[in-house]
Amino acid sequence: DAGVIQSPRHEVTEMGQEVTLRCKPISGHDYLFWYRQTMMRGLELLIYFNNNVPIDDSGMPEDRFSAKMPNASFSTLKIQPSEPRDSAVYFCASSLSASTGYTFGSGTRLTVV
Amino acid sequence: DQQVKQNSPSLSVQEGRISILNCDYTNSMFDYFLWYKKYPAEGPTFLISISSIKDKNEDGRFTVFLNKSAKHLSLHIVPSQPGDSAVYFCAASDFNKFYFGSGTKLNVKP
Repeated sequence: DAGVIQSPRHEVTEMGQEVTLRCKPISGHDYLFWYRQTMMRGLELLIYFNNNVPIDDSGMPEDRFSAKMPNASFSTLKIQPSEPRDSAVYFCASSLSASTGYTFGSGTRLTVV
Repeated sequence: DQQVKQNSPSLSVQEGRISILNCDYTNSMFDYFLWYKKYPAEGPTFLISISSIKDKNEDGRFTVFLNKSAKHLSLHIVPSQPGDSAVYFCAASDFNKFYFGSGTKLNVKP
């Protein structure tokens, strides 16, 4: 199994531009999570899906952030327009259930200048 | 307000000694606790977990202790090895929603 695959690994963009982060979960995992990691706040849950349906998006910081999961093998996190304070590492993770823990992707390092 | 806290941002331990990483939480409804290990430029890797009905779980050199009355979780690594140097995150679960601490950077010196 290739694990959770995220793309791109690194993204540098100018303030105001749209940014799309992508994630392919492990096949068969029913849960998909988007996290953001910063030095100040550690790992923050942004949103999670169960069977492609968004369950809790209370961690999404602003309306500029949106996430979709059109099918069981793909999810996107979009920021429009991006701002410098959005600079962070964004992780995608998938899991079968709480008892198995997560498998994380390698993350996307986003820099907004 | 953070529901899971790791108050020590860093820890330095000599090789062969015990490493103890601590974690506090506020929500008594959490039913599952996990520890993750993260190397630079990689995603966190699941390390060990414990259900709220237990107070100890052991896996090789790693043992997790849960003190529900104190709402405190700890990870013991014995003996510590240089390869254990990484950032360790504790996490708590409430109905499949996970809350992470901010991490503790462990440095194991040869």
